[in-house]
Order: sequence, then structure tokens, then C-alpha cells
Amino acid sequence: EVQLLESGGGLVQPGGSLRLSCAASGFTFSSYAMCWVRQAPGKGLEWVSVINNSGVSTYYADSVKGRFTISRDNSKNTLYLQMNSLRAEDTALYYCAKGPAQQLVPNYFDNWGQGTLVTVSS
Amino acid sequence: SYVLTQPPSVSVAPGKTARITCGGNNIGHKTLYWYQQKPGQAPVLVIYYDSDRPSGIPERFSGSNSGNTATLTISRVEAGDEADYYCQVWHSSSDHRIWVFGGGTKLTVL
Repeated sequence: EVQLLESGGGLVQPGGSLRLSCAASGFTFSSYAMCWVRQAPGKGLEWVSVINNSGVSTYYADSVKGRFTISRDNSKNTLYLQMNSLRAEDTALYYCAKGPAQQLVPNYFDNWGQGTLVTVSS
Repeated sequence: SYVLTQPPSVSVAPGKTARITCGGNNIGHKTLYWYQQKPGQAPVLVIYYDSDRPSGIPERFSGSNSGNTATLTISRVEAGDEADYYCQVWHSSSDHRIWVFGGGTKLTVL
């Protein structure tokens, strides 16, 4: 069974940094692209970043480009999101999600974690 | 960029058919995905490649995509289908790729 467990969320001041982690199990992590999707309180889903299976290719939404960095450690089956220069509008529940099989850059996401909450406030 | 437009809400009586639309410029030329999100839960993929269902998703869920509108159809609606539904596409221009979600539709079962 695929399991994705996010951690690292919390309260941070504007301008601060936070690193999210997503521990994966139940599948061969190194074979799948992964992503981060966020959801502001009471709002819809917003794609944040995608990384291919090897970590060589990364993609970012314009809203986070230059501030967030996605990475992965395939030896630890873990996905990361380093978030710098955080703003109030980054407040959201951050989900990690898995791409489907045989798509090095995924068209969609077939399994999701339960999310970790990031609150940016002074 | 690419924009997907969904109605904020759809209401349907139990046992009836719900249709949730997702509009976009020539969306029929793209491949569409649908997610269901129940309150306090993570999204769940319910339709991929326009009309395919992942294992475990009831046959009552179906999808279509043509022209400027894609549709998620839920037949014989049950109380447990009450949720937010999001459409999603993958869009590429030059060397930039983006993943776009619609704004979501809240399905209310009357």
C-alpha cells in the first residue's frame, strides 16, 4: 500500500524558512516522479512543484519560483520542499503526491499524503 | 498560462445524476483528470485520461472531454459522493510546464 507522510509544517514568521519532508513507502520511490500541491484554508488546490524520478528535472509554479526548492533523497525514500522568504500567502496545507507509473514527468497524481500545515504569520 | 473554470457548486438529489463541468480553451485537445476531496481528507483521483477510472472507483463515475468543456458525471448519486471535485490538466509551452487545477466544485447531495 502506498503511504506518503508529510512533516515539517508549523508556524513561521514572514521572511522565514521551513523545510517540509514527505516519507514514502509501499512503492519503489526512485521510479516515480513526485510533487507538492498546496491548499490555502478554504481554497482550492494549487500546484507548487514537481520533480522527476531521478531529481534532475524540477518544475515550479511562478508563485514560488526562486523561493522554494524541491529535492529528493532516493536512498531515504524522502521528498523535500525547502521554503525560503515565506509570505503570508504561502499559508496552506501542503500535500505531497506521487506521479503514475512510467511517467518520468507526471501528467497527474495518483496517490496523496494527508498534508502538513504551514502558517506564515507574525 | 492556462485557466480551468468550474462552477462553484452543484446540487443533486440522491439517486439522480450530477454533472460537473470544467471549461478551458480547447480543453478537448488536452487530457483531463478529476479528483474528489471530502472534508478534512486528501484528494483522491477518480478519473484519469479523460474517462478512465482507477481501481476502486465506482462505475457510477465517468468522464468526457470535448471542445471547450470536460464533464465529470456521477450517476445514481449517493450521500457519500458529497465532496469538492477538482479538474486538472498538464500544460506545456516552450520549455515551461505547468499543472493546472480548476477552482473546484462543491457537490451537495440534497
